[in-house]
Amino acid sequence: EDKVVQSPLSLVVHEGDTVTLNCSYEVTNFRSLLWYKQEKKAPTFLFMLTSSGIEKKSGRLSSILDKKELFSILNITATQTGDSAVYLCAVEVGGTYKYIFGTGTRLKVLA
Amino acid sequence: GAVVSQHPSWVICKSGTSVKIECRSLDFQATTMFWYRQFPKQSLMLMATSNEGSKATYEQGVEKDKFLINHASLTLSTLTVTSAHPEDSSFYICSASRDAGGYGYTFGSGTRLTVV
Repeated sequence: EDKVVQSPLSLVVHEGDTVTLNCSYEVTNFRSLLWYKQEKKAPTFLFMLTSSGIEKKSGRLSSILDKKELFSILNITATQTGDSAVYLCAVEVGGTYKYIFGTGTRLKVLA
Repeated sequence: GAVVSQHPSWVICKSGTSVKIECRSLDFQATTMFWYRQFPKQSLMLMATSNEGSKATYEQGVEKDKFLINHASLTLSTLTVTSAHPEDSSFYICSASRDAGGYGYTFGSGTRLTVV
């Protein structure tokens, strides 16, 4: 059965801290992994990862994929209260463009 | 670019009635759109894949007769929740990609359905 597991489920940090969110997966014919940030409503796209070892970076956020060990991490440095959100990881199933989502990591950044 | 519009944002309906939710790709054509459901504090669960000009593909456990999907054009997919019941109350959200996934997927703003 295809599955995506994120950890931790929930995380509380203070502004300025660095956080690392994990996403591990077991899917048939992996094609891509996506990270999303979800605040009040619709998730917003962060990164798409398809190749191992190549870091994607956007400001204070970065992500990398390990296709051998079947996981990805999302790093956020110098966290701000605006980073508080649920971070979702999604993996494409079998080249079908369908994505299975993990349960998400709920991040709260305290001022 | 890659804007997906979903309508309505929220709807309250009585048990037994049907509700239609629209998902439009505003600046691109989408042969495939996806419909998800999200319960409070839970992740997105894929309900079905909407294919332009053909029948939708439903995930296991999703009743196709209850959740009718129509993808009549390259920019519009609709989800109709038929004979809604309180347990259908949820957040429904669609997504589409402008290039079959190459640039990731854009989500609509979602529809909060409450059945009373």
